[in-house]
Amino acid sequence: EDQVTQSPEALRLQEGESSSLNCSYTVSGLRGLFWYRQDPGKGPEFLFTLYSAGEEKEKERLKATLTKKESFLHITAPKPEDSATYLCAVQGGTSYGKLTFGQGTILTVHP
Amino acid sequence: GAGVSQTPSNKVTEKGKYVELRCDPISGHTALYWYRQSLGQGPEFLIYFQGTGAADDSGLPNDRFFAVRPEGSVSTLKIQRTERGDSAVYLCASSSPGETQYFGPGTRLLVL
Repeated sequence: EDQVTQSPEALRLQEGESSSLNCSYTVSGLRGLFWYRQDPGKGPEFLFTLYSAGEEKEKERLKATLTKKESFLHITAPKPEDSATYLCAVQGGTSYGKLTFGQGTILTVHP
Repeated sequence: GAGVSQTPSNKVTEKGKYVELRCDPISGHTALYWYRQSLGQGPEFLIYFQGTGAADDSGLPNDRFFAVRPEGSVSTLKIQRTERGDSAVYLCASSSPGETQYFGPGTRLLVL
């Protein structure tokens, strides 16, 4: 059974204070690891897909990395508008369409 | 282009009643997914359609839950004899086969 654990559950940062969010996973044959952002009252918004260990992807202040056991979402010089819940999900080799999500990390960036 | 749309955005019902939740996927997406999200949790998989057929319904919690996609586009999630524990946000996503899933805004269901 695929499993995803995210840490920390909540993270409070000052504007400009860089940090990282962790996503640990167990999966039988990783087909993809996904990062989504979710604002209150809205559906998840796609950020990145990573497919193999060593892969990295960047978008503005966000950078996602992947190893065989975990993924990190690095946030460089965050702004208040980066405040949201960040969700990590995996798609396993026998899961086809199904995504297994972690519980999310609630990020709050104070001005 | 238009994203995934879901109706209604909010639904309040009484315990024991029947509800239907609708999802309109992104045009051209043949794959459609339903998830359920409880407060403070990540989305939990319910069912996956490829075209008109349910390719994986392993996440449906019991036989009170049923979903259809008769023409391979719009899907309806049906819940019979609703219980208070069914209260959650029901999310729909769509994709091209094997590609990124794009989510709708969700339907917030409250069972009193």
